[in-house]
Amino acid sequence: TQLLEQSPQFLSIQEGENLTVYCNSSSVFSSLQWYRQEPGEGPVLLVTVVTGGEVKKLKRLTFQFGDARKDSSLHITAAQPGDTGLYLCAGANFGNEKLTFGTGTRL
Amino acid sequence: DTAVSQTPKYLVTQMGNDKSIKCEQNLGHDTMYWYKQDSKKFLKIMFSYNNKELIINETVPNRFSPKSPDKAHLNLHINSLELGDSAVYFCASSQGNRPQPQHFGDGTRLSIL
Repeated sequence: TQLLEQSPQFLSIQEGENLTVYCNSSSVFSSLQWYRQEPGEGPVLLVTVVTGGEVKKLKRLTFQFGDARKDSSLHITAAQPGDTGLYLCAGANFGNEKLTFGTGTRL
Repeated sequence: DTAVSQTPKYLVTQMGNDKSIKCEQNLGHDTMYWYKQDSKKFLKIMFSYNNKELIINETVPNRFSPKSPDKAHLNLHINSLELGDSAVYFCASSQGNRPQPQHFGDGTRLSIL
């Protein structure tokens, strides 16, 4: 069974601070997606990273896919109140239609 | 216009009852999914259909039966509801049967009394 562990599980910071969320697995994924979920709503896709070592930026959010495609990180610069939510990473398997979701980080 | 819509949003019922949740997407996608999110917010896939054909069936009790009358609809019927079935159930859709960006509904919160 593939597992994606996210850390930290909870994160409480002041407005304007920087933070990093980690998503780690012992399994290799063909691609990795990051979602954000707000209370009472479904997850919304933020980004997909495909190539090992790939870095993508979305305004103040920076996403990185590990070289070995087993891990990923999400860095938020100068956090704003609107950044609050549950951040979920999700790994896609080779030759499979299934997404494996991480354990989640609540910001 | 809502892209992926689920009904009902809330479902409160007693143990042993049978209930259904409906899902419709207007994105023109050919793949739909059902996920279960537990109280710890862990999101786990249950089923996936591509063009009305079942392609993913995780280890889910056979009290859960999905039905896809067409590629825009995927319903979930649950028989003999148990306390452990309490969770939020999400429907999602994507284009293609490779892991593509998935569009989620707002969830159905099922509470078993």
